[in-house]
Amino acid sequence: DIQLTQSPFFLSASVGDRVTITCRASQGISDYSAWYQQKPGKAPKLLIYATSKLQTGVPSRFSGSGSGTEFTLTISSLQPEDFATYYCQQLNSYGVTFGGGTKVDIK
Amino acid sequence: EVQLVESGGHWVQPGGSLRLSCAASGFTFSSYWMSWVRQAPGKGLEWVANIKQDGSEKYYVDSVKGRFTISRDNAKNSLYLQMNSLRVEDTAVYYCARYIVLSVTTWFDYWGQGTLVPVSS
Repeated sequence: DIQLTQSPFFLSASVGDRVTITCRASQGISDYSAWYQQKPGKAPKLLIYATSKLQTGVPSRFSGSGSGTEFTLTISSLQPEDFATYYCQQLNSYGVTFGGGTKVDIK
Repeated sequence: EVQLVESGGHWVQPGGSLRLSCAASGFTFSSYWMSWVRQAPGKGLEWVANIKQDGSEKYYVDSVKGRFTISRDNAKNSLYLQMNSLRVEDTAVYYCARYIVLSVTTWFDYWGQGTLVPVSS
């Protein structure tokens, strides 16, 4: 199976901080990834698809990049509503895989 | 407005069966792949199954193969998940999601609110 490892597992940050979350694949099967935001008790929300494309309605402070085995989600200036858990996702030969999640908390 | 509304989740004993439903509206249901994704309490997201627009292709995570069946009724704009031989480890919130397939990349662009399936004795 292909694993997606997110780092850090937990991130404590302040409003206005630049935040970067990394997703590493155990094998370089696809050059594409997607990113989701999930708040407690809510369904996940798509932020980024095809590695770097911003979903409609998502603020431009969110951006994605990467290829091969390493992908990143960057929040340029963290806002109060951005405190949540973030997941990466990839398609591979075994199906669909999600990363383990990164919780972004208030410092 | 795209809406996905799951139903059918309730407590079930290990070894039991359950059928989840997802009612779709606000888009042409028959034109999209659909999926089920689950989340165990306090855990991350796990993809469960996908189904092609016409139901001709279905894919499952290894842990549910042979026990779960995904299906759809395009006339009723509905997605289903038949879950048999349920295990304690199947306990999760089950989300219905619209699944976009584009060559070598895929993503889930709309999600339902989820339905909880607790499996315990």
